[in-house]
Amino acid sequence: QKEVEQDPGPLSVPEGAIVSLNCTYSNSAFQYFMWYRQYSRKGPELLMYTYSSGNKEDGRFTAQVDKSSKYISLFIRDSQPSDSATYLCAMSGGAGNNRKLIWGLGTSLAVNP
Amino acid sequence: ETGVTQTPRHLVMGMTNKKSLKCEQHLGHNAMYWYKQSAKKPLELMFVYSLEERVENNSVPSRFSPECPNSSHLFLHLHTLQPEDSALYLCASSQDGGQGYTFGSGTRLTVV
Repeated sequence: QKEVEQDPGPLSVPEGAIVSLNCTYSNSAFQYFMWYRQYSRKGPELLMYTYSSGNKEDGRFTAQVDKSSKYISLFIRDSQPSDSATYLCAMSGGAGNNRKLIWGLGTSLAVNP
Repeated sequence: ETGVTQTPRHLVMGMTNKKSLKCEQHLGHNAMYWYKQSAKKPLELMFVYSLEERVENNSVPSRFSPECPNSSHLFLHLHTLQPEDSALYLCASSQDGGQGYTFGSGTRLTVV
């Protein structure tokens, strides 16, 4: 079993749709959860950063962490064509042997005008 | 220049060549990383430098040799590569090993 599972898609939605992207994980020591966005021919950029459980909102983006289910989500409201990119989840325990970031495969998202 | 800059953007090299990838960060961060990104695989951490000292080497073949002359610059020296080494090589930096990394745009490497 992989430490982090993420459906690579591709996911195609119409403009204005609500997008839900998800990752599951197996290591209960993970405490730091991140979503990165990667446009074609670019490196990943940090989009959302969450510590432990709960929700975090930033504009049209909401990150949710459910540690009891080992499940994290990224929601995009009112999706725009400019949101078309690959979204990667990453997580770590933050210290010692668990400080290394573990990455998902990334989900390719296309938002169609 | 801002952020993390990588050169060259594209590189084609033969298996007997020697080349180097360069990374420069303008953020004042004290940790730098080399990652390999291949299709259908998660990002693979190759090397970590913290305060110019290599703190991690994830069983990377010796044909990849990193160098960190100061906290702003990172190199990846390449020699006698294999076709399976073709990938996007990403450099990243962070402060105090923090979890939020800033990535460069990468070098797309093709080994022929």
